[in-house]
Amino acid sequence: AQSVTQLDSQVPVFEEAPVELRCNYSSSVSVYLFWYVQYPNQGLQLLLKYLSGSTLVKGINGFEAEFNKSQTSFHLRKPSVHISDTAEYFCALKGQAGTALIFGKGTTLSVSS
Amino acid sequence: ETGVTQTPRHLVMGMTNKKSLKCEQHLGHNAMYWYKQSAKKPLELMFVYSLEERVENNSVPSRFSPECPNSSHLFLHLHTLQPEDSALYLCASSQAPAGTETGELFFGEGSRLTVL
Repeated sequence: AQSVTQLDSQVPVFEEAPVELRCNYSSSVSVYLFWYVQYPNQGLQLLLKYLSGSTLVKGINGFEAEFNKSQTSFHLRKPSVHISDTAEYFCALKGQAGTALIFGKGTTLSVSS
Repeated sequence: ETGVTQTPRHLVMGMTNKKSLKCEQHLGHNAMYWYKQSAKKPLELMFVYSLEERVENNSVPSRFSPECPNSSHLFLHLHTLQPEDSALYLCASSQAPAGTETGELFFGEGSRLTVL
């Protein structure tokens, strides 16, 4: 079975501070990994994805994530957040064998001034 | 219009009503999906259509009935719903047929359903 665990349900930070949103996964097969963002009253939007190759993946809006196979993690980071980064962030995985996209429960990032 | 459009954005219905949610994608994609989003729960995949054929149905109660008349449109017909069905219903599409795609889905803004 495959699963995604987002270790923090809420992460409050101040503007211009760095942030890390943690994601661990479990799978018996090779996976593709994703981070999606959902702004208030909107659908989900792809932030970044890891398919293969370099373990450090850069996405939109200055976010990046690092795939760590030994620790089965795919943590999302940003060196300096903005108020506009306030949103719900979802980690997701998909087995390379063609299974459905599996989402974590989400992490609410709240950025205040 | 671009992207994935869902209507209505908000819907309130009684337990005996029949209503439908509509999704339209303007991206030329080959697969469409219905997800249910409830507070603090993972997104639940409900139905998948690939090349207009249903390829996945994740043990969804029969009070939810999908329809995909063509590659651009997807409906979710609702009848005799329960209050616990209140949620945000998200439609998504992917360019590659389901099962071959690399997981990049394009989502609509969702239909917020409240069942009284």
